[in-house]
Amino acid sequence: DIQMTQSPSSLSASVGDRVTVTCRASQTIDNDLNWYQQKPGKAPKLLIYAVSILQRWVPSRFSGSGSGTDFTLTISSLQPEDFATYYCQQSNSAPLTFGGGTRVEIK
Amino acid sequence: QVQLVESGGGVVQPGRSLRLSCEASGFIFSSYAMHWVRQAPGKGLEWLALITSVGGGVYYADSVKGRFTISRDNSKNLVYLQMDSLRTEDTSVYYCARSAAGSRTSDGFDVWGQGTVVTVSS
Repeated sequence: DIQMTQSPSSLSASVGDRVTVTCRASQTIDNDLNWYQQKPGKAPKLLIYAVSILQRWVPSRFSGSGSGTDFTLTISSLQPEDFATYYCQQSNSAPLTFGGGTRVEIK
Repeated sequence: QVQLVESGGGVVQPGRSLRLSCEASGFIFSSYAMHWVRQAPGKGLEWLALITSVGGGVYYADSVKGRFTISRDNSKNLVYLQMDSLRTEDTSVYYCARSAAGSRTSDGFDVWGQGTVVTVSS
């Protein structure tokens, strides 16, 4: 099975900060890497798929990058509505594993 | 609109069974692979199971293999999760989700239900 390791598990940041979340796969997953945003009490929402393709609802301050085993989610200028938990997920092979999540909190 | 609605959650004793249902609407259900994902209280997301668009292929997480069964009825736009031999650690919110890439699984899950709560307790 492919293990997904996210870091950090949580971070505190201020509005306007640049935020970076990393995700490492235990083996190469090509570009089959997706990111989700989840707010408390809500279902997750697909944010980015195939490493860097933004869903239509996602503002351009979000970006994704990486290849092979190492991937990054970046928020260029954190906004109040971005405080949430973010998960990476590999969709290369079953089981389709998630990372442990990164909680982005207000500083 | 495109929608998934789960049902069937509740409180069940350890060792018992429960069947969850997920009703799809607003899209051509038979063209999409479907998934179940769960989230234990205060924990992260755990993918559980996948069924291909026509139901010919199923895949499971090791944690539920042999206990849970995913199935679908394309004539009714329903996907099911039969959960047997339930354990206290199965207590979670259970979500169904749609594959963004249709019959493939490569592009994540673009539509999620609201979730149904399963509590396994004596």
